[in-house]
Amino acid sequence: KQEVTQIPAALSVPEGENLVLNCSFTDSAIYNLQWFRQDPGKGLTSLLLIQSSQREQTSGRLNASLDKSSGRSTLYIAASQPGDSATYLCAVFYTGTASKLTFGTGTRLQVTL
Amino acid sequence: KAGVTQTPRYLIKTRGQQVTLSCSPISGHRSVSWYQQTPGQGLQFLFEYFSETQRNKGNFPGRFSGRQFSNSRSEMNVSTLELGDSALYLCASSLDSGVGYEQYFGPGTRLTVT
Repeated sequence: KQEVTQIPAALSVPEGENLVLNCSFTDSAIYNLQWFRQDPGKGLTSLLLIQSSQREQTSGRLNASLDKSSGRSTLYIAASQPGDSATYLCAVFYTGTASKLTFGTGTRLQVTL
Repeated sequence: KAGVTQTPRYLIKTRGQQVTLSCSPISGHRSVSWYQQTPGQGLQFLFEYFSETQRNKGNFPGRFSGRQFSNSRSEMNVSTLELGDSALYLCASSLDSGVGYEQYFGPGTRLTVT
């Protein structure tokens, strides 16, 4: 079964700290992986899309890495700010599943002052 | 460019009723997908529409249906509502259909079934 797992489920860090969010997937036959942010009660905001042929993708303070062989992706957030507080979701396009994204359960991040 | 819009944002319905949700994709996007988000099951894929045709379907009962119009706008319908249908319904649009196109999500419709 193609699954996506995110650990930890929740994380609290002080402002200014660098942090890493983890995403694991069970099948290496992925096409690409997308990281999203969701604020409470809101929709999903796309953060980064990383192709299966890429190792890294960067946007501002965010850096996503992908290791297909180990079934892992990480989202690195530099110099965290209170405004980064949200739930972060990773989602995988598995090859052969057409347009369907398989989502992880998310990591709820709180950045404290 | 305007993002994905969904209407209504909130709905309260009674068990047994039916409901229709609407999604307008980003201009130029031709694919629309629908997802259900609940605390227990997380985000689950419902279906995808492209060129007015359903291209892909998730594992939901036939009470869940949808359609897409020639302008790419999409509607989702749930008949005979059950309490378990209470969820945030999200639609996503992408340029084209098929694996790998970046998905852009709308703000969602919060459905409460009483």
